Amino acid sequence: DAGITQSPRYKITETGRQVTLMCHQTWSHSYMFWYRQDLGHGLRLIYYSAAADITDKGEVPDGYVVSRSKTENFPLTLESATRSQTSVYFCASSESGWASGNQPQHFGDGTRLSIL
Amino acid sequence: GENVEQHPSTLSVQEGDSAVIKCTYSDSASNYFPWYKQELGKGPQLIIDIRSNVGEKKDQRIAVTLNKTAKHFSLHITETQPEDSAVYFCAASSTDSWGKLQFGAGTQVVVTP
Repeated sequence: DAGITQSPRYKITETGRQVTLMCHQTWSHSYMFWYRQDLGHGLRLIYYSAAADITDKGEVPDGYVVSRSKTENFPLTLESATRSQTSVYFCASSESGWASGNQPQHFGDGTRLSIL
Repeated sequence: GENVEQHPSTLSVQEGDSAVIKCTYSDSASNYFPWYKQELGKGPQLIIDIRSNVGEKKDQRIAVTLNKTAKHFSLHITETQPEDSAVYFCAASSTDSWGKLQFGAGTQVVVTP
């Protein structure tokens, strides 16, 4: 099916472990984004990417690493998970807005991550 | 950077009544304002958006108004139905923001039958 998919939907891990959250989109959108959603904080941007091999930090990047070797994939890695990284993580994508102005972001259904 | 404030944080309405959510933004360069609806266990879904060259936009029971001078924009839902119950987010961005959106904190809307 076309769209944006995240995997896994649920993940439980322990502090200190490395965990990777996957995001795949089938639209060939240039821009991709990772957010975390916590009660009282809304959606906070972790990292974003303007194109393959172009990534940059968002509001809360500490403890996270991203890569984008292919346009359609944008994995997010927690190198050494901490309890404070327990959250719901959302991936989003959008078309480039250079020609027509900013375009809407389309979100996946999220990964609920618990770190014990 | 851009700062978006959203009010109220919770809104309870009777079915059939109207609901209004208001957002203010700080960056005068912002020119794109989407609204998202998030249902439980789902990702945010775009419901309507407006650009700075337009003052109002409607889509069936949903409308958004923009006041650039006052830097605020509002979501209006008329004839509310139980399925309108969700969390609603406003957001703002400018052309030079690389597609990044600054989100409001969200409004929990509860429509009671």
